[in-house]
Amino acid sequence: NAGVTQTPKFQVLKTGQSMTLQCAQDMNHEYMSWYRQDPGMGLRLIHYSVGAGITDQGEVPNGYNVSRSTTEDFPLRLLSAAPSQTSVYFCASSSRGRGARDTQYFGPGTRLTVL
Amino acid sequence: DQQVKQNSPSLSVQEGRISILNCDYTNSMFDYFLWYKKYPAEGPTFLISISSIKDKNEDGRFTVFLNKSAKHLSLHIVPSQPGDSAVYFCAASITGNQFYFGTGTSLTVIP
Repeated sequence: NAGVTQTPKFQVLKTGQSMTLQCAQDMNHEYMSWYRQDPGMGLRLIHYSVGAGITDQGEVPNGYNVSRSTTEDFPLRLLSAAPSQTSVYFCASSSRGRGARDTQYFGPGTRLTVL
Repeated sequence: DQQVKQNSPSLSVQEGRISILNCDYTNSMFDYFLWYKKYPAEGPTFLISISSIKDKNEDGRFTVFLNKSAKHLSLHIVPSQPGDSAVYFCAASITGNQFYFGTGTSLTVIP
């Protein structure tokens, strides 16, 4: 199993540009989520999904869109990038089954810089 | 407003001694708590968890303690090893859907 994969690893954008961060998992996990990590702020939840076709907002959803058309993929879209979105983005997934409740597996992260 | 707090940004411990990492939370509705370990340029990896119905959970060298009345949890690592040097995040959840993370504590284990 590859686990949780994220692409790209690094990205530089100009203010106003749009892009999609990709996230895929091959563990058949129902739950997937996106976090951003900023210095002194820890990880903050952006959006999450409890299954294909279902998404919901986390702590910091503004400026980001998500969709979940398949179990495996959970892309994060920045519609009009702003310097405040410079951050490291992590995707995570977890099984909802007993014994694995809430144990999330994280991808390696995407480092995004918005100029 | 930070609902989960780690007030010590860093901690240094001699190899073989005990490392104690602390975490405080404000929301009494949290019912599940986790610790993650993170190396540079990698995603966090799950370490250990505890349900609010327990006050202690052990897994090898790692033990998590939960004090609900004080809204405090701690992670004990005994004995500490140089490979334990990493950033440790605590996290809390209410429904299992939304997770709140602390700001992390950077642990350095000195050989």
